Amino acid sequence: GAGVSQSPRYKVAKRGQDVALRCDPISGHVSLFWYQQALGQGPEFLTYFQNEAQLDKSGLPSDRFFAERPEGSVSTLKIQRTQQEDSAVYLCASSLVGGGLINQPQHFGDGTRLSIL
Amino acid sequence: AQTVTQSQPEMSVQEAETVTLSCTYDTSESDYYLFWYKQPPSRQMILVIRQEAYKQQNATENRFSVNFQKAAKSFSLKISDSQLGDAAMYFCAQHMDSNYQLIWGAGTKLIIKP
Repeated sequence: GAGVSQSPRYKVAKRGQDVALRCDPISGHVSLFWYQQALGQGPEFLTYFQNEAQLDKSGLPSDRFFAERPEGSVSTLKIQRTQQEDSAVYLCASSLVGGGLINQPQHFGDGTRLSIL
Repeated sequence: AQTVTQSQPEMSVQEAETVTLSCTYDTSESDYYLFWYKQPPSRQMILVIRQEAYKQQNATENRFSVNFQKAAKSFSLKISDSQLGDAAMYFCAQHMDSNYQLIWGAGTKLIIKP
């Protein structure tokens, strides 16, 4: 597609349920990033993939959060046993080259708004 | 730890006027990059402008320009001839050459008065 696509756009889940959020990066983009954006805040880094390799997961808030990108394209962010504090917008971004190089800007999707009841 | 601070939660400006959004940051690194992103209600982050720290010349993109003061660790965004479509949240972000992470400010909500 022309841009980064995220689905679903909205997700409502009950506390304790597992959720899976999908990100389709721009075709051919090597780098993929996940961010968590709480209401009224700036995004916070969660994890980074270069192709299928997860090179940095230091931002994942707990072991309930898991991300994968098995074939180096589509990525899934999974949250197990959701808690109310997981409610946020989850943003995905991709960039053309690896290494997080800045001369290639990050292109963002529209995000998934996750609400935990 | 690196931090990015946007001290203005909200700014308003009359259409066609000029507005400046403030951003300060804190880093011990010498090589880094600074960005301004725009986030309209659609939630998609859109890159507005970027600045490499090693460049002394301030970046400019059409109506958008920055005032980069490296010694003061300040990176403000000036929007000239404000348009209704400029209304959005504006985020300042910093990227270090040494890792993959973007460090973000809390954002400034820009309101354009017609």
